[in-house]
Amino acid sequence: DIQMTQSPSSLSASVGDRVTITCRASQGISNYLVWFQQKPGKAPKSLIYAASSLEGGVPSKFSGSGSGTNFTLTISSLQPEDFATYYCQQYNSYPLTFGGGTKVEIK
Amino acid sequence: EVQLLESGGGLVQPGGSVRLSCVASGFTFSSYAMSWVRQAPGKGLEWVSGISGSGGGTYYADSVKGRFTISRDNSKNTLYLQMNSLRGEDTAIYYCAKDIRGGDWGQGTVVTVSS
Repeated sequence: DIQMTQSPSSLSASVGDRVTITCRASQGISNYLVWFQQKPGKAPKSLIYAASSLEGGVPSKFSGSGSGTNFTLTISSLQPEDFATYYCQQYNSYPLTFGGGTKVEIK
Repeated sequence: EVQLLESGGGLVQPGGSVRLSCVASGFTFSSYAMSWVRQAPGKGLEWVSGISGSGGGTYYADSVKGRFTISRDNSKNTLYLQMNSLRGEDTAIYYCAKDIRGGDWGQGTVVTVSS
């Protein structure tokens, strides 16, 4: 099974900050990676798929990069609505696997 | 607009069974793989099971293999998860998700395993 390691597990940031979250796969997954945002009490929402493709309707402040085993999600200017938990997930092969999540909190 | 509506959750005793359903609309259901993903209280996301568009391929997490069965009825645009031999650690919100990359999710249904 492919293990997905996300870091950090939590971070505190201020409105306007640039935030970067990292996801590492235990083996190469090409670009078969998706990033989700989840707010309390809500279902996850896909932000970026194929490592760097923005989902329709998702603001361009979100960006993704990487290929192979190392990936990043960047939020260019953190806004109040961005405080949430973020997950990466590989879909290169079954079983699909998620990272442990990164909780982004207000500083 | 894609809509996924899960149902069937509730309180079940350890060792019991429950069947979850997910009714899909707004897309050609048979063209897409589907998944079940769960989230235990206060925990992260865990992929549970997946099925190909035709239903010919099924996949499971080790934690549920041999106890859960995923299936679909493309004539009814419905995804199912039969859950047997339930344990306390199966307590979670269960979401269905469209496509292997989870482009759309339902609102979830809660399964609580407790005596």
